[in-house]
Amino acid sequence: EADIYQTPRYLVIGTGKKITLECSQTMGHDKMYWYQQDPGMELHLIHYSYGVNSTEKGDLSSESTVSRIRTEHFPLTLESARPSHTSQYLCASSEFGHPNGNTIYFGEGSWLTVV
Amino acid sequence: QKEVEQNSGPLSVPEGAIASLNCTYSDRGSQSFFWYRQYSGKSPELIMSIYSNGDKEDGRFTAQLNKASQYVSLLIRDSQPSDSATYLCAVVRGFKTIFGAGTRLFVKA
Repeated sequence: EADIYQTPRYLVIGTGKKITLECSQTMGHDKMYWYQQDPGMELHLIHYSYGVNSTEKGDLSSESTVSRIRTEHFPLTLESARPSHTSQYLCASSEFGHPNGNTIYFGEGSWLTVV
Repeated sequence: QKEVEQNSGPLSVPEGAIASLNCTYSDRGSQSFFWYRQYSGKSPELIMSIYSNGDKEDGRFTAQLNKASQYVSLLIRDSQPSDSATYLCAVVRGFKTIFGAGTRLFVKA
């Protein structure tokens, strides 16, 4: 079972507010990801990291930013939330450099609503 | 053309039948292949992985890989209503995992 935790699970905030979605994993995985997914729609990779101090933008352009100061922690920040940011955000992790290390483990997701 | 293609469905099968889910990919250099299941409102979870041509069975699930045809499939035998979900095909190329858009499966009781 995956040990990857996201907080908050549900958040409703006003336009213009700054928010940080927290993600932690206890598996010691090097690689971490943030995906964005609207209900019934496909996953979109917005950020990923190969390890500490590594961050990369994903396939979908996003106004969010991420940081990776510790292996286990990969927070996502929106400096000024807008209604278009309303979505589900899924944090995930995987091993890196292991022959079977491509399995991606997902957290339970953070549902963000910007009003 | 998307790198990983799946029929969006919905695929509807009666309880007890075999559900067949298909996926094609465009890059011949792809190395590993995965099937994830995602229930509505939940996160994706791994069902199976397959790395070499042929069939791989795990309980009621069989993954099939044909690298020459760039084709991956998932068979679900004795389908149950609890199998109703979206099934995501994922393909690994280098350090990158590419997800398909998913196929919605409904199993009718």
